[in-house]
Order: sequence, then C-alpha cells, then structure tokens
Amino acid sequence: EVQLVETGGGLIQPGGSLRLSCAASEFTVSSNYMSWVRQAPGKGLEWVSIIYSGGSTYYADSVKGRFTISRDNSKNTLYLQMNSLRAEDTAVYYCVRVDYSSSADYYYYYYMDVWGKGTTVTVSS
Amino acid sequence: DIQMTQSPSSLSASVGDRVTITCRASQSINSYLNWYQQKPGKAPKLLIYAASSLQSGVPSRFSGSGSGTDFTLTISSLQPEDFATYYCQQSYSTPMYTFGQGTKLEIK
Repeated sequence: EVQLVETGGGLIQPGGSLRLSCAASEFTVSSNYMSWVRQAPGKGLEWVSIIYSGGSTYYADSVKGRFTISRDNSKNTLYLQMNSLRAEDTAVYYCVRVDYSSSADYYYYYYMDVWGKGTTVTVSS
Repeated sequence: DIQMTQSPSSLSASVGDRVTITCRASQSINSYLNWYQQKPGKAPKLLIYAASSLQSGVPSRFSGSGSGTDFTLTISSLQPEDFATYYCQQSYSTPMYTFGQGTKLEIK
C-alpha cells in the first residue's frame, strides 16, 4: 500500500530545533515531488515546503531561512529540519506526495494525492 | 501571491441535498485548481484535480467545474460521510500551493 508515515513531532521550547521524518512505502521519494503542509490548531491548511525530484527546494515565506527540506534516497525518507521555532509554528505537519496529470497539449496539473497522518509540533515554554 | 477565497465559510445541509461550494482566485489560474476533503482528526483527501477531474476512488456525486478565477465543487446528493471541511488549492503559481480558508459542511 502506498503510504507516508511521519515521526519526530513533540513539545519544543521557542528558539529550539526539531527534525521531522517521513518514511514512504511502495513508491520512491526521490522520483517524486514531495512536500510538507501544516495545519495550526483550528485553522486551515498552509503549504510549507517542497522538494522536486531534481533536488530543487522551495519554502513558504513564513519558514524561509529557518526550515530545510531534504531527503535520504537510501532510506526512502523525507525530512524537515526546523530551527528557530516560534509559537506560530505550532501545528500538525503533514508529509505529502505531489503528483501530476498531463493534458493533450502538455500542460501539467499538479496535486497532492498521498498524505501522511501527520505529526504534531507544539512550540511552547 | 495568489489568494484563494472560498464561500461560504460554513454551510448547513441535509442528507440528500445538492450542495455547491465556491472558490475564487485573486487572478486567473486557468484550470489549476484542486479540491480536498478533510474530516476531523484526519489528513486531507484529494477529491478533484485540474478543476474537474475526479480522483480515482472518489464517488461520482462529487464534481468540479470552472476556469480562470471562479470554481465550484458540487455534491449532487449529500451522504452522511460527506460532512467535513473542504479546501480548494491552486497549483498555477507553483511551487506556492496556496489553499483556500476552508468551507465547513455541517448537518442541518
């Protein structure tokens, strides 16, 4: 079964660091676009970061310079290193596979088709 | 940045009702629009991609339409398991995959 399992969440003090892991099954992380999406308590979904199959990485302005997305191909695992954590980073963090569909005229429609169950990060003193 | 605005923010309906949720983009996004369903305590689930393409395994009572700036998600006959929060998402301005604020569908 295609699935993603996140680990690494927990309670951390402001200014601290945490690394989230996301283990994939039945597909290859490095062959896909992979992303992190978070959801603060009682709030909506917020895209956080993405890593392309070619290795390029991108971040939301809210985390740029503090978070780093990476992958370990040998472990088929995605990571999110989170530094200088703030109270507003408190959220459930979802690991997501980004797939695409191509049209007859070669447009590529990207969508998030596989989601992990999420791991909770709480930033509080 | 492209902003996505959903309406209404919440909606009450009954089993068997036809329901429509609207999503508006702050600029044209062609058909680069996805819809997700999220139930409490669960991860979101992809329903519709490319504005109107039904994801495999999703019941045919769900449909999507629109292009440019205005989009709709329609549930033709509400079932008990459809009460959830629905999010739209643009994939035009990648890598920024902006979501709408969500529409909570509740039982009347």
